Amino acid sequence: GAVVSQHPSWVICKSGTSVKIECRSLDFQATTMFWYRQFPKQSLMLMATSNEGSKATYEQGVEKDKFLINHASLTLSTLTVTSAHPEDSSFYICSLETGENTEAFFGQGTRLTVV
Amino acid sequence: RKEVEQDPGPFNVPEGATVAFNCTYSNSASQSFFWYRQDCRKEPKLLMSVYSSGNEDGRFTAQLNRASQYISLLIRDSKLSDSATYLCVVNGDKLIFGTGTRLQVFP
Repeated sequence: GAVVSQHPSWVICKSGTSVKIECRSLDFQATTMFWYRQFPKQSLMLMATSNEGSKATYEQGVEKDKFLINHASLTLSTLTVTSAHPEDSSFYICSLETGENTEAFFGQGTRLTVV
Repeated sequence: RKEVEQDPGPFNVPEGATVAFNCTYSNSASQSFFWYRQDCRKEPKLLMSVYSSGNEDGRFTAQLNRASQYISLLIRDSKLSDSATYLCVVNGDKLIFGTGTRLQVFP
């Protein structure tokens, strides 16, 4: 398997500020990582695919200018929620897959609350 | 129609009971299938992969019916610690998660 470390585990911020979430692969060189969002009692929804050394691929309906993704190395992807608003409050979680059609390994998730 | 559909539950069962969850998926080209367990406010953790031949891991048995595009999970001899949300996950060109089925095991 793979070990994925996500930080911070929770954050409370004021409306209008930006929040950066880090996702680290501790024992696997990940050219691709995934960012999901989960609202209460809903399923995980893929937001974007983070590609090392190139632009992220965003899912339909996800604003790329609001959710900035950087994947500068094989072990680190970051998601920055810019100008956060209360409706952005959610559980954000990253993952990676070690091969095609294999299981996903998740970070611990970040609970974002925007007040 | 949702790509992956699950009964949200909750399923409230006593310790020792057998409980079954079902899941249907819409993409017939899906290649791999999984059951994940998610505890409240935690990340999902892989419970088991699901194979066409069916597979068993201790008290857990998973089945896949490709013709009917249907996946199941059977839990025997339920424990209190089995209380969680069980996510059906289907992989085509990306992972698609069901909304999960909530299980509550009571003493």
